[in-house]
Amino acid sequence: DQQVKQNSPSLSVQEGRISILNCDYTNSMFDYFLWYKKYPAEGPTFLISISSIKDKNEDGRFTVFLNKSAKHLSLHIVPSQPGDSAVYFCAARGNRDDKIIFGKGTRLHILP
Amino acid sequence: NAGVMQNPRHLVRRRGQEARLRCSPMKGHSHVYWYRQLPEEGLKFMVYLQKENIIDESGMPKERFSAEFPKEGPSILRIQQVVRGDSAAYFCASSLSGTAGEKLFFGSGTQLSVL
Repeated sequence: DQQVKQNSPSLSVQEGRISILNCDYTNSMFDYFLWYKKYPAEGPTFLISISSIKDKNEDGRFTVFLNKSAKHLSLHIVPSQPGDSAVYFCAARGNRDDKIIFGKGTRLHILP
Repeated sequence: NAGVMQNPRHLVRRRGQEARLRCSPMKGHSHVYWYRQLPEEGLKFMVYLQKENIIDESGMPKERFSAEFPKEGPSILRIQQVVRGDSAAYFCASSLSGTAGEKLFFGSGTQLSVL
């Protein structure tokens, strides 16, 4: 029962262009959404989050958009840099639920 | 100013042995979460603990797996009688207060290999 879905296992983007990573969820009780970035042999690191009362949150090169009616969120990275090559996990959490549910991840390759 | 510390980084066990994975949360954090990542899979929630309490163990297999977070010392994830299917990366995360909008800080994980 995959409550958080990342349907693209991988994505390749030219350096300097925009990277768009997508995520869909099924549980309408989710109140917070987070993106984590993971390099090989390391633990995930927090990137950016958004509350369900907002539809956009921006932090430097990273912007997360939330479309509650479509149960869809996306992470935009612009401009993409070589160091952005990593696996990106979308995650969600309910207001009353303590655990964070993760998607399967999308591997982003930034091409030179 | 250490982050979340997990040890060992790599653990090799033969089938039937016990595996003990340790996690020391960030300083001041009293909430610990364990996740498992199977090859080509995402992070699957296993258990959420506060000091001396298991809050949510809905992701833990019913048999062979147990977790604790004692008043003193690290959190321990224990797997008894390991099988090949237990081979995975096990990540521990901690948070300060466990509130809904709070982010988790992850350790580097323990890679368990069962021969």
